[in-house]
Amino acid sequence: SYELTQPPSVSVSPGQTASITCSGDKLGDKYACWYQQKPGQSPVLVIHQDSKRPSGIPERFSGSNSGNTATLTISGTQAMDEADYYCQAWDSSTGVFGTGTKVTVL
Amino acid sequence: EVQLVESGGGVVQPGGSLRLSCAASGFTFDDYAMHWVRQAPGKGLEWVSLISADGGSTYYADSVKGRFTISRDNSKNSLYLKMNSLRNDDTALYNCVKVTRIAALYDAFHIWGQGTMVTVSS
Repeated sequence: SYELTQPPSVSVSPGQTASITCSGDKLGDKYACWYQQKPGQSPVLVIHQDSKRPSGIPERFSGSNSGNTATLTISGTQAMDEADYYCQAWDSSTGVFGTGTKVTVL
Repeated sequence: EVQLVESGGGVVQPGGSLRLSCAASGFTFDDYAMHWVRQAPGKGLEWVSLISADGGSTYYADSVKGRFTISRDNSKNSLYLKMNSLRNDDTALYNCVKVTRIAALYDAFHIWGQGTMVTVSS
């Protein structure tokens, strides 16, 4: 079965850039999405179709996808960005989520 | 305002059954495919099932195939998940989810409900 692998944790200082990777076989041939989940809340879609931001998502969130890796970048990270982040893609009519990354803003 | 409200969760013994419901409002329900996504306590997200806008196509994760059945009633703006032969590892918060684009099946999960908790325990 298809797998998406993320680093368990990423730490970033306020105002700096956080990059979260998502690795999967030929992931660049698929669309990648990213979700933000804060404790006790439902996930929020922050990036879809590799690099598109839904309405209401700040410009500091951006995405890319090429080869075997999709990347979510948070520029000028704020304390409110501290959360779990999950990538997601579709493979053979099956939805696949990444393992999740906890972003800590120190 | 787009809203999804799940109900029907609870505590059930292994081998038992439950039927989850999701009431949708604020958008044209029969334009969109719908999904169920679950999250076990302290764990990551797991896609469960998908149904097309007209209800004619359904897909399931291998972990629930043959045990769960997704359905919808477009006249009632409602989505359902019938869960049979429940196992301990089905314990999770079950979310109803709307995709981003009209008629798209394999799409991003745009709007999430708050979820309904299913606990399988003897």
